[in-house]
Parts: sequence; structure tokens; C-alpha cells
Amino acid sequence: RKEVEQDPGPFNVPEGATVAFNCTYSNSASQSFFWYRQDCRKEPKLLMSVYSSGNEDGRFTAQLNRASQYISLLIRDSKLSDSATYLCVVSNPNTGNQFYFGTGTSLTVIP
Amino acid sequence: EPEVTQTPSHQVTQMGQEVILRCVPISNHLYFYWYRQILGQKVEFLVSFYNNEISEKSEIFDDQFSVERPDGSNFTLKIRSTKLEDSAMYFCASSEAGARTGNTIYFGEGSWLTVV
Repeated sequence: RKEVEQDPGPFNVPEGATVAFNCTYSNSASQSFFWYRQDCRKEPKLLMSVYSSGNEDGRFTAQLNRASQYISLLIRDSKLSDSATYLCVVSNPNTGNQFYFGTGTSLTVIP
Repeated sequence: EPEVTQTPSHQVTQMGQEVILRCVPISNHLYFYWYRQILGQKVEFLVSFYNNEISEKSEIFDDQFSVERPDGSNFTLKIRSTKLEDSAMYFCASSEAGARTGNTIYFGEGSWLTVV
């Protein structure tokens, strides 16, 4: 079973739409959760960490559901510049010093 | 803003040759990583490095690969006897503390390796 699973999409949404991505993780002992953004042929860049109580950064809201072992990312008022692949990343202190990446969810915002 | 830097940005090499990819992690970071991403696929963990030794490695990181911190700033990935399937983007990353403590990692811009 994969450590982290995401719906690869693609998600094609019009400008201004709200879009949500989910990600599930297999190890209940996982402690840290992140969303990264990756543009085509570029490096992953940290979008936001995900905290237990949920957190918001402008148009982006991240939530964690430990009972169901998933995290989500909500993007409101989508912009053309939001088009990218969004990577779910999880780390587990019991399995060492690596971060586990999902395959990414592709988002295209259409004018 | 501090950043991880990598060289070369792109390298083409013949099958069977050795390649060294170089990275300068963020200066106050203690943990260093190499990840790779084959075109169109997920980001895969190769190795983590701490206190001048390998902390953890994946099954991908076999005897063909090695890492080194030759001086106080550089962190290198050596790939011996390259194969076609080694063609990928190789990302170096660093973090202030390890994944165990929940620190985030920061990536360099990557080195595209094309094996022909």
C-alpha cells in the first residue's frame, strides 16, 4: 500500500471556481503534513503546512482528518496562476528521515 | 531568501559514464536529501544525510549511487555506470532538522540528467 495517495486529476476549473483536493496516508503514526506546489519541470515548493486544527493562508485552506487519515486542500477564487501540480507530503517520525510524496494532483485553471 | 542551489541544471551523458551532481544546501540546515523524479512520475526519495553519514536510503539507492559532503558547503550525488533509466530530474533538498521533527524541506531547482 502506498504511503500517500492522491487523485491525479486532472482538474480543469474556470477562473474564480473553488476546488478541493484530498490526499490519504496509510500510516496512522504520521505526524507532519504539507502541501507543495510543483510547476512543470520545476522543483516542488512549499505551499503550506497542515496543522491539526486546520489552517488558512489567503485563498488556501488545509485541513487534517486524523481519524480518516486524509488531508485536504481547498482553493477559493481560483486564479490562472494556480495552475500547477499539488503534492501531498507526509512524514512519519517512526520511519526515519524521509518525506513521502503523493503522485500529485494536476490543476488547470481555465480563463 | 536562502535557497538550495544545484549544478549542473542539465547534463547529458552517455550510458555507462559516471555523473556527479552538486548541491549547496541552505547554510544552517543539518539534513540533506536527494530525490529524483522521472518525467511524469512522482517524486521519489533516494537518500537522507546527516552528520556526515547516510541517515536513510531507499531501495533505489543501490551500489550505483553514493553521496558525499566533500567540504563544509557542498553535497554531491555520484551515479556510477549510468543507465538509460537513470534519466530523471534529481532534486537536492535540505531541512533545518529531520523529518522526525516535522521540519519542512526546501528543494533546489533540480538537475536534469539525460542518459543517451
